Amino acid sequence: AQSVTQLDSQVPVFEEAPVELRCNYSSSVSVYLFWYVQYPNQGLQLLLKYLSGSTLVESINGFEAEFNKSQTSFHLRKPSVHISDTAEYFCAVSEAVGSGGSNYKLTFGKGTLLTVNP
Amino acid sequence: KAGVTQTPRYLIKTRGQQVTLSCSPISGHRSVSWYQQTPGQGLQFLFEYFSETQRNKGNFPGRFSGRQFSNSRSEMNVSTLELGDSALYLCASNRGQSTDTQYFGPGTRLTVL
Repeated sequence: AQSVTQLDSQVPVFEEAPVELRCNYSSSVSVYLFWYVQYPNQGLQLLLKYLSGSTLVESINGFEAEFNKSQTSFHLRKPSVHISDTAEYFCAVSEAVGSGGSNYKLTFGKGTLLTVNP
Repeated sequence: KAGVTQTPRYLIKTRGQQVTLSCSPISGHRSVSWYQQTPGQGLQFLFEYFSETQRNKGNFPGRFSGRQFSNSRSEMNVSTLELGDSALYLCASNRGQSTDTQYFGPGTRLTVL
């Protein structure tokens, strides 16, 4: 069964420090990879996603993630974090079920709470 | 384009009661998924509806059920509420393809006393 592991449940960092949130998945088939962010008292929203092509994908607010097929990883990084980046981050993996791409299985990790301190 | 809306936003019930939560997806989206979020278990998938049919289901007891209407709006019902059902229930919609982004609503906070 497909599983998604976010290795750190909490990551505290100081403002302007770099951060890496780790995500590993188990799947033997082609997958699509997502990072979602949840700010306090809100639903989740897409941060970035990998569908195909360049293995390095970027978001508009400075986050980037690299798809590593051999390591089955999709770690999220930011070179310098801000207080406003404090949120919970979820890694998600989507894999097609059956033929045609019309059905799929989407699995979320348990989330990593990033806390940025001044 | 209006986002995913969920009603009500907050709900307080007592054990044994039942509850119905509603989700209106983004216009044109045919897939609606429901998730339960708790501090201990994180985000857990309940079920997904696509064109009025349940297409995928998570590992929840039969007390949790749902349905989808012809306009893609979806409802989730929980019968015989238990204290452990207290959670944030999130609804998400998309077109229903494996490459699609999930668009989440703000959630319904259910408290069972």
